[in-house]
Amino acid sequence: DTGVSQNPRHKITKRGQNVTFRCDPISEHNRLYWYRQTLGQGPEFLTYFQNEAQLEKSRLLSDRFSAERPKGSFSTLEIQRTEQGDSAMYLCASSGGGIAYEQYFGPGTRLTVT
Amino acid sequence: TQLLEQSPQFLSIQEGENLTVYCNSSSVFSSLQWYRQEPGEGPVLLVTVVTGGEVKKLKRLTFQFGDARKDSSLHITAAQPGDTGLYLCAGGYYKLSFGAGTTVTVRA
Repeated sequence: DTGVSQNPRHKITKRGQNVTFRCDPISEHNRLYWYRQTLGQGPEFLTYFQNEAQLEKSRLLSDRFSAERPKGSFSTLEIQRTEQGDSAMYLCASSGGGIAYEQYFGPGTRLTVT
Repeated sequence: TQLLEQSPQFLSIQEGENLTVYCNSSSVFSSLQWYRQEPGEGPVLLVTVVTGGEVKKLKRLTFQFGDARKDSSLHITAAQPGDTGLYLCAGGYYKLSFGAGTTVTVRA
């Protein structure tokens, strides 16, 4: 049983650089979510896809952030011109199986902006 | 802004003791989910409660959903060191709102 996978697991980048993260959801799930988690907080919703359609974006997702799910399978999250405030754990989740709204999370990508 | 408040923020107990963590909101949720998260990993789903007054048991873990569907609790009986982790509650349908979590440490 393959769960949600995310790559890379860790990313260190310098301020101003662009970074891209990948998420592969559970294969039969049609919904995919991105969240961001900072130290001492629970995850915060960023955006949500149903198949290839991006249905909602949080106001947390500034213009420097873009997410895609081109064929309704894997998704990418790109951050342009990174800032130190972007340092966080970026989590991907998917849902759509037996109980449609239950979300299963990947291991996350830890981003550190220096 | 977190719509869900969890208490306590930190809990440290000895192996074999019982513990309860709470999740409260001023909003009604159609369902609540509980997750456990270990450092450097993603949250792992423990249970989903959907009916007001519902009680679900998962081995030594007991989950309750309040009658008004605004609050929930997680009770662990005879805690073990393997129960150590960050316990998160989350509400919502597709856009989950999370509490800040309760960090539980079980000492051997």
